[in-house]
Amino acid sequence: DAKTTQPPSMDCAEGRAANLPCNHSTISGNEYVYWYRQIHSQGPQYIIHGLKNNETNEMASLIITEDRKSSTLILPHATLRDTAVYYCIVRGRSNDYKLSFGAGTTVTVRA
Amino acid sequence: DADVTQTPRNRITKTGKRIMLECSQTKGHDRMYWYRQDPGLGLRLIYYSFDVKDINKGEISDGYSVSRQAQAKFSLSLESAIPNQTALYFCATGTPERGEQYFGPGTRLTVT
Repeated sequence: DAKTTQPPSMDCAEGRAANLPCNHSTISGNEYVYWYRQIHSQGPQYIIHGLKNNETNEMASLIITEDRKSSTLILPHATLRDTAVYYCIVRGRSNDYKLSFGAGTTVTVRA
Repeated sequence: DADVTQTPRNRITKTGKRIMLECSQTKGHDRMYWYRQDPGLGLRLIYYSFDVKDINKGEISDGYSVSRQAQAKFSLSLESAIPNQTALYFCATGTPERGEQYFGPGTRLTVT
């Protein structure tokens, strides 16, 4: 699976959009981009995933660049409860047993 | 009720003791997983099971064993606990169709 690079930390103001970048320049054509988050010591929580097209659900939006080498997770209206470590993961659907969590981005939402 | 439950939530045990961590799920998924997380690090896969008869080692299976008693139950055992197995353990379930995994609340294990 392709490696991902995320900034180690970022701050966001409550009520504002949080834009979390992820680089995955070695992604291959059949690999998906997944986002999870982990609120302090809780089990990781699935957020969203995508292949080529932008995706949106009740939690977030995922914007994938046309060349698929990077993506951005958007939390449209960040709340204090969105403070967590966010993980960007690239993997092929056939390898769904391999969920490789890196260091992620620690997002702190401030009032 | 939670879709994935883990028991116990916290456990302190002594070196050399055998301990079992249990996981149950109500999502009806065939696939189940055990991960461990050490402070400040990401999750590492210990074992995974694609169905009751299909169990596979992950990247750090030494010192651990598992049992898939039913589709809904997947247990992790430490045959002889050692201090460097002190960690947060997570169980997860998933399906191949959608690819995402659903995690339990975790078990905090301390080996003294």
